[in-house]
Amino acid sequence: ETGVTQTPRHLVMGMTNKKSLKCEQHLGHNAMYWYKQSAKKPLELMFVYNFKEQTENNSVPSRFSPECPNSSHLFLHLHTLQPEDSALYLCASSHPGQNSFEAFFGQGTRLTVV
Amino acid sequence: AQSVTQLGSHVSVSEGALVLLRCNYSSSVPPYLFWYVQYPNQGLQLLLKYTSAATLVKGINGFEAEFKKSETSFHLTKPSAHMSDAAEYFCAVVHGQAGTALIFGKGTTLSVSS
Repeated sequence: ETGVTQTPRHLVMGMTNKKSLKCEQHLGHNAMYWYKQSAKKPLELMFVYNFKEQTENNSVPSRFSPECPNSSHLFLHLHTLQPEDSALYLCASSHPGQNSFEAFFGQGTRLTVV
Repeated sequence: AQSVTQLGSHVSVSEGALVLLRCNYSSSVPPYLFWYVQYPNQGLQLLLKYTSAATLVKGINGFEAEFKKSETSFHLTKPSAHMSDAAEYFCAVVHGQAGTALIFGKGTTLSVSS
């Protein structure tokens, strides 16, 4: 496989459920990101990981918990979400060491909280 | 921190007409700038990028953008619109001096009529 792959593509969960979003990149990149895209707000940067270390948490509520076990995988663990958390969650990766900063995106997970 | 502003949330053109999508940036350092396109329920795809080389940047699908420092602008153009160009377009800038993530504008929806 190539590029950035996100699973699942669609997820419906209740407010008391616990679920996880998965992102995998096959590009050899060392930085990975979570973005939230909702109808009411533009693309919001949530978390940044460089070389598996979290370097940015953009004031995201604790009901979102990221995990980066290695440079190729990124997870977003979800628990006790609210209906307003319904959105498209996008994962991206880049290789800033090459001084390009170009981000490659997955196709996203469409999350609906009921 | 760096930021971008996209002027006009919705642009409508006729097939064959010039496409002009506007983006202005704010940056304390020489910026890295990007244009991305997003089709419904998809991730973002890179159209083109400016990395301080040539000020006129050519991208995919016939799009190009010109970096104008004096105007702090990076507008996206295409000489002749095609129906398949209908999508949402995002301008982006690298987050900051030490940051690696991209910060996006609010997006411009391009509609193309026959």
